[in-house]
Amino acid sequence: ETGVTQTPRHLVMGMTNKKSLKCEQHLGHNAMYWYKQSAKKPLELMFVYNFKEQTENNSVPSRFSPECPNSSHLFLHLHTLQPEDSALYLCASSQATNSNQPQHFGDGTRLSIL
Amino acid sequence: AQSVTQPDIHITVSEGASLELRCNYSYGATPYLFWYVQSPGQGLQLLLKYFSGDTLVQGIKGFEAEFKRSQSSFNLRKPSVHWSDAAEYFCAVGGFGNEKLTFGTGTRLTIIP
Repeated sequence: ETGVTQTPRHLVMGMTNKKSLKCEQHLGHNAMYWYKQSAKKPLELMFVYNFKEQTENNSVPSRFSPECPNSSHLFLHLHTLQPEDSALYLCASSQATNSNQPQHFGDGTRLSIL
Repeated sequence: AQSVTQPDIHITVSEGASLELRCNYSYGATPYLFWYVQSPGQGLQLLLKYFSGDTLVQGIKGFEAEFKRSQSSFNLRKPSVHWSDAAEYFCAVGGFGNEKLTFGTGTRLTIIP
């Protein structure tokens, strides 16, 4: 139990579908992150939120739309995805966005685009 | 810009043998260093971290790492591996400024009986 819960664990969707990934942290942290992990590629930071405000968008295509209603919840809304978007999507949280703070990760959502 | 290099993509070790995973970093000041482990089907779990002080840090699951400033290294060690240690291991570097936590590309560890 890492204190960061992601749902669903697995998701299969067509390119025209709309779906959402959910992340919830029970650690009292103020910062939350979305990462993309693809096979044979480094971990890619997608979005950073600090106290519900987006502080970083790492040139992510607009078909990925994040939402952070409060410091404990983070969503990633998906629409019109492409096959290359198939990957493991990891949510993480930390006390602050300073990179000296350890991040705590959820178990991820394995996304497959048909 | 900071960076992390994990030179070994894949390492195979016999159960009960010792393990050392290499990590080299580049950072302009005193780094904050982390090792994470990712078991199949799971997210990254923090093994240990180095901020300052004693250069040999102890972590969970019997792992330790040594910070060597002169070599810009932070190698992960375990005296005797168990089959359950088979996983992917990531080294990461951070700092006090506005830099993002930077991860290495990972080392996959296979344990043979």
